[in-house]
Formats: sequence, C-alpha cells, structure tokens
Amino acid sequence: GAGVSQSPSNKVTEKGKDVELRCDPISGHTALYWYRQSLGQGLEFLIYFQGNSAPDKSGLPSDRFSAERTGGSVSTLTIQRTQQEDSAVYLCASSLVQGGYGYTFGSGTRLTVV
Amino acid sequence: DQQVKQNSPSLSVQEGRISILNCDYTNSMFDYFLWYKKYPAEGPTFLISISSIKDKNEDGRFTVFLNKSAKHLSLHIVPSQPGDSAVYFCAASTSGNTPLVFGKGTRLSVIA
Repeated sequence: GAGVSQSPSNKVTEKGKDVELRCDPISGHTALYWYRQSLGQGLEFLIYFQGNSAPDKSGLPSDRFSAERTGGSVSTLTIQRTQQEDSAVYLCASSLVQGGYGYTFGSGTRLTVV
Repeated sequence: DQQVKQNSPSLSVQEGRISILNCDYTNSMFDYFLWYKKYPAEGPTFLISISSIKDKNEDGRFTVFLNKSAKHLSLHIVPSQPGDSAVYFCAASTSGNTPLVFGKGTRLSVIA
C-alpha cells in the first residue's frame, strides 16, 4: 500500500482480556518496528523485525507482550491479560533497509484498558 | 535512563519568529540524528536528519545543528508558521543499525 496501515485505530478493552493489534507495512519494506507512546512519554521501542532474521525483542516490557511478522509483511502485536498501564498509542513503522533511516509510521492504535 | 532528552515539554512562538527546539543525548555511540513532527491522531513524519560527520543540515525553513562535544542538537524553524504547530521528536541511532531512540517530544505552538 501507499503507507503503513494499522488497525484498529482505537481499541477499548477490559482489564485481563487479550488484544491483537495489526500493522500492514509499506510493500517492499524489509524492516518493521513497533513503538508505543504512553501519556506524557516519548516513543518507547518495543520490537523490531528485519527480513528473516530473529526479531529484536529487547524493548518488550513483559512476557505478556509478543509480536510476529508473517511472510515478511503483516505484523501482529499481541498483549495478553491487559493491564491499565498498557493503555497507550501503539505505533508501527517500516523502512526499506535495516536500522535508523527512513522510518514511515502508521497512524497508530490507541489502546485503552478499562 | 533516558538516552535522548528533550527538556522543554512545550514552546510557544509568534508567527514569523524563529523556533528553536533543543535535544540532548547521553550515548556517545549515537551518530545519526533525526527530527520527526507529529500532528494529533497521526503518526510521526520525518522532518530532517543529520549525520555526526556534519554540524549543520538545512532544508528550507528547517535547520538542524549538531554539537558533538556537548552532545546537543537543535532544530531551528524560521520563519515559524501556524502549520508548524505540532509535537517535535528528536531521535538518534548508532550507525543506522539500531532502532531509533526517541525523546519525549516538545509541543510547539505557533501563534498567529
């Protein structure tokens, strides 16, 4: 597609439920990143996929968080047993090459845990 | 520990004047720096970048200055326009091989 697409744009869930957030990167972009922005905070790195390499999961805050990227394209971020502190905007970005250059971000998914 | 710091959460500037947004970093391995702009309900968009081999990069109304010895960079917008009102994030990486590390952002308001 023309840009990075994320769905849903908004998600309200009850504490303890699992949620899945989807990211459809720009076609041909080999690198895909997940960040989150909590209220009053910067963009916090979560996880990074590059081609067929093992993902860099160093930013995941707990084992309730996981992500996968199927076929080198679409990615799903899963949060199990959601907590109120998980409430944030989850942003996905993709780039043509590995590393810190040329990220294109999606509009994000605003997650609210009640 | 924050590796990229934007110590001013907000800045208000009159239209036509210069806006100066500041950013400090602690990791001396960072060698590539970027500024992103974010409007509400949208993802951040790339604005301008600078490599550590330079101390200045200019693109139209936007100029980024890098002071490696002070581990400080700044974004200058001149003249400022109301459409520049947004949150500006400073970001850094190491040789482009690591995910970007972002600051907390500075909300710029340009008053007409």
